[in-house]
Amino acid sequence: QVQLQESGPGLVKPSQTLSLTCTVSGGSISSGSYYWSWIRQPAGKGLEWIGRIYTSGSTNYNPSLKSRVTISVDTSKNQFSLKLSSVTAADTAVYYCARVRIAVAGMRVYYFDYWGQGTLVTVSS
Amino acid sequence: QTVVTQEPSFSVSPGGTVTLTCGLSSGSVSTSYYPSWYQQTPGQAPRTLIYSTNTRSSGVPDRFSGSILGNKAALTITGAQADDESDYYCVLYMGSGVWVFGGGTKLTVL
Repeated sequence: QVQLQESGPGLVKPSQTLSLTCTVSGGSISSGSYYWSWIRQPAGKGLEWIGRIYTSGSTNYNPSLKSRVTISVDTSKNQFSLKLSSVTAADTAVYYCARVRIAVAGMRVYYFDYWGQGTLVTVSS
Repeated sequence: QTVVTQEPSFSVSPGGTVTLTCGLSSGSVSTSYYPSWYQQTPGQAPRTLIYSTNTRSSGVPDRFSGSILGNKAALTITGAQADDESDYYCVLYMGSGVWVFGGGTKLTVL
C-alpha cells in the first residue's frame, strides 16, 4: 500500500520560503508510471493544484504560482519537495502531496490516486 | 486563465439521486480532459471516487457514477446516504502536465 507523508515547518514568516517534503513509502518514486504533485487548500476553501514533477525531474506548475514555486525530487530518499518563495498570509493552507497515475493497462488516465494526510502551514510573523 | 465550474452547493434527500456537474468557463468538457472526482469530508484528505470520466476507483460503491452530460462532466449519486454529505471536487487535465480543480460542491443530505 502506497503511503505519502508531508513534513516541514508549520509556521513560516511572511516573505520567507515555505519548504515541505513528501516521503513516499510502499512504492518507488522512480516508477515511470506516475507523476508526483502538490496541492493546497486554504481553510474553508477549495483545492488548488500547485505543480507536479516526474522522476526525470521535469516539472509543470500552476501559472498563478509559477514564479514562486520549485518542486524537486530526490530518488535516493524516495522523496519530493516543494519550495514556495515570498510567502504571504494568502499562502496559509493545508498542503497535500499526491501521486498522479498516468496510465492504467496502457490507457492514459491522469488522476490523483494516493494522497498524503496534509500538513497545515501558517504564514505569520 | 481556465476556470472549472461546479455548483457551490446541492441538496439531496436520503435515498434520492443527485447529479453534480463540472464545466469550463470557456468550451466543453470532453473525455479528453480525463475528468476525475474526489470526495472530501472536513479534516480529511480527498478520496478518489471517479477517474477518466466514468471509472470508479477501487472500493467506491457503484451508486457513484461518472459521465459526460452535454458539455460538462457529471457525478451522479444514486440512493444517497447520510455519509455522502461531503464536499465534491472535480479536476480536469488540461494537457502538458497541468491540472485545474473546480471550486467544489458542498452536498447536503437531508
